[in-house]
Amino acid sequence: QSALTQPRSVSGSPGQSVTISCTGTSSDVGGYNYVSWYQQHPGKAPKLMIYDVSKRPSGVPDRFSGSKSGNTASLTISGLQAEDEADYYCCSYAGSYTEVFGGGTKLTVL
Amino acid sequence: EVQLVESGGGLVQPGRSLRLSCAASGFTFDDYAMHWVRQAPGKGLEWVSGISWNSGSIGYADSVKGRFTISRDNAKNSLYLQMNSLRAEDTALYYCAKGAGVPAAMNYWGQGTLVTVSS
Repeated sequence: QSALTQPRSVSGSPGQSVTISCTGTSSDVGGYNYVSWYQQHPGKAPKLMIYDVSKRPSGVPDRFSGSKSGNTASLTISGLQAEDEADYYCCSYAGSYTEVFGGGTKLTVL
Repeated sequence: EVQLVESGGGLVQPGRSLRLSCAASGFTFDDYAMHWVRQAPGKGLEWVSGISWNSGSIGYADSVKGRFTISRDNAKNSLYLQMNSLRAEDTALYYCAKGAGVPAAMNYWGQGTLVTVSS
């Protein structure tokens, strides 16, 4: 159960698009279509943004989208807004009723 | 409205035990898996343990396997985490989270309870 690999930080200007990668192995990301993404603002609990690789819960803007290729999943945020500045974490099912998170990515909106 | 309220955190010495509780309301508790996720100060999220709706499936992170035990009482709408042989590296904010019906998806979270392991 090694943590999934995410870039430590990404940045973009308002209106631009950014993509956050999440790299695992064939035992987690690559082995299942069960990847989720969470947004966490400072001092707040995480919020589910994407599940099942690319599905959005109700209430999450369609500016947020997810995808996966092989052992790498990605979260893309288009039309960046100031309120998108937060930490983002990927999470994958890893078999045997276990989950694993990524190390987190700090998104800065310039 | 879904509510998850954790309790039981505090300061504990290394090697001692602590039991966390999570009181759930606003949804049919016994329809969903539940999870514990922790976050050390200034660090990222770490999945700790999960339990299926009927306690038939349980999983643990390698870092806590053999020391922590997750359980639930569907009659009391409550989730628990028994933590034994605590170590300094277990110091974290412990969140209770509701499963969303598919693996890796947790759609409601509590505000967390802080566990500090220190002598």
